[in-house]
Amino acid sequence: GAGVSQSPRYKVTKRGQDVALRCDPISGHVSLYWYRQALGQGPEFLTYFNYEAQQDKSGLPNDRFSAERPEGSISTLTIQRTEQRDSAMYRCASSLMGGGTGELFFGEGSRLTVL
Amino acid sequence: EDQVTQSPEALRLQEGESSSLNCSYTVSGLRGLFWYRQDPGKGPEFLFTLYSAGEEKEKERLKATLTKKESFLHITAPKPEDSATYLCAVRNNNDMRFGAGTRLTVKP
Repeated sequence: GAGVSQSPRYKVTKRGQDVALRCDPISGHVSLYWYRQALGQGPEFLTYFNYEAQQDKSGLPNDRFSAERPEGSISTLTIQRTEQRDSAMYRCASSLMGGGTGELFFGEGSRLTVL
Repeated sequence: EDQVTQSPEALRLQEGESSSLNCSYTVSGLRGLFWYRQDPGKGPEFLFTLYSAGEEKEKERLKATLTKKESFLHITAPKPEDSATYLCAVRNNNDMRFGAGTRLTVKP
């Protein structure tokens, strides 16, 4: 596609439910990143992939968070047993080059609200 | 541990009043320092990449510079449409880490 696409744009869920956030990167981009951004703060790194391989998941807050990119394109960030503190904007970005180079192109984000 | 610190947190300028934003960093294996612009409700938009100390990049009223410990984003004669949050990020061998940003407001 023309840009990074994320869905849903808005998700409201009840505490304890699982949620899945989807990211469709720019076609041909090797690297895909997930960030979480609180209001008034910069993006906080969660995890990233080169092709289908998860290179670094050190930013995932705990084991309720997981991500996959099974075919090296679309990625899903899953949050199990959501808690109110998980409420945030979740942003996906992709980069043409792998190996830690190149700028990131961001999607519009998925705003998660946990009640 | 890698760190990115931006200052000031917020900056209010009059139209035409030039200033600079600061990004201080400590990172092992720097593979690039990036500046992004973020408008309210939008994702960050790429502005510049700097790779080595002494390097400079320019785009319209913006100029980014890099030393071994910090980067500056100079804004010359800003206009109201330059109002946004400016984010600095550093890429190490593994990932890209962002600062908290500087929220710039330019008054007409």
